[in-house]
Amino acid sequence: EIVLTQSPGTLSLSPGEGATLSCRASQSVSGNYLAWYQQKPGQTPRLLIYGASSRATGIPDRFSGSGSGTDFTLTISRLEPEDFAVYYCQQYGTSPRTFGQGTKVEIK
Amino acid sequence: EVQLVQSGTEVKKPGESLKISCKASGYSFTNYWIGWVRQMPGKGLEWMTMIYPGDADTRYNPSFEGQVTISADKSISTAYLQWSSLQVSDTAMYYCARHMLHEGMALPDYWGQGTLVTVSS
Repeated sequence: EIVLTQSPGTLSLSPGEGATLSCRASQSVSGNYLAWYQQKPGQTPRLLIYGASSRATGIPDRFSGSGSGTDFTLTISRLEPEDFAVYYCQQYGTSPRTFGQGTKVEIK
Repeated sequence: EVQLVQSGTEVKKPGESLKISCKASGYSFTNYWIGWVRQMPGKGLEWMTMIYPGDADTRYNPSFEGQVTISADKSISTAYLQWSSLQVSDTAMYYCARHMLHEGMALPDYWGQGTLVTVSS
């Protein structure tokens, strides 16, 4: 199975700053079928990005995804207070679908 | 509006059976894959399985195959996840999730609120 490794484990930033989250795959992600999810404490995950770079419905344009092959990035241009959460990447091009272990974005 | 409403918290003993449910509304249940994702306490997300209610086709993560069974009743737009013999290690939050298609590949888009399953002697 494809192992997704996210870095860093924790990102400590202030509101208004930019955030760059990395997701590296153990082998090439077929079709760049890579998604990003946000999960706040006690809440359900929310789909942010699919196809490596397409924003899901209703997702603000401060969230952007990029990358291909084995290296993918989620960028949050200016952190809003509601953006502090855990972010997961997931590949859905190869069975079984797998998630990364998550990156926590916390308030500095 | 797409909604997935899951059954409530369960507390079980090792060896007991369990079936949890996920009732869908706001979309055509038979035209989307629907699946389950596990989140163990304080841990990340693990994709388990999905089913296409239109024809009952199923897919399993090998890590969960044989441990759980997914099913769906399209007459009541409800998906299920069941265990025949629970283990303490099954203690987790279980999310159901509708899967959208992107270029023919299914990924979770809308999620249920989660069902907490606790297995303890």
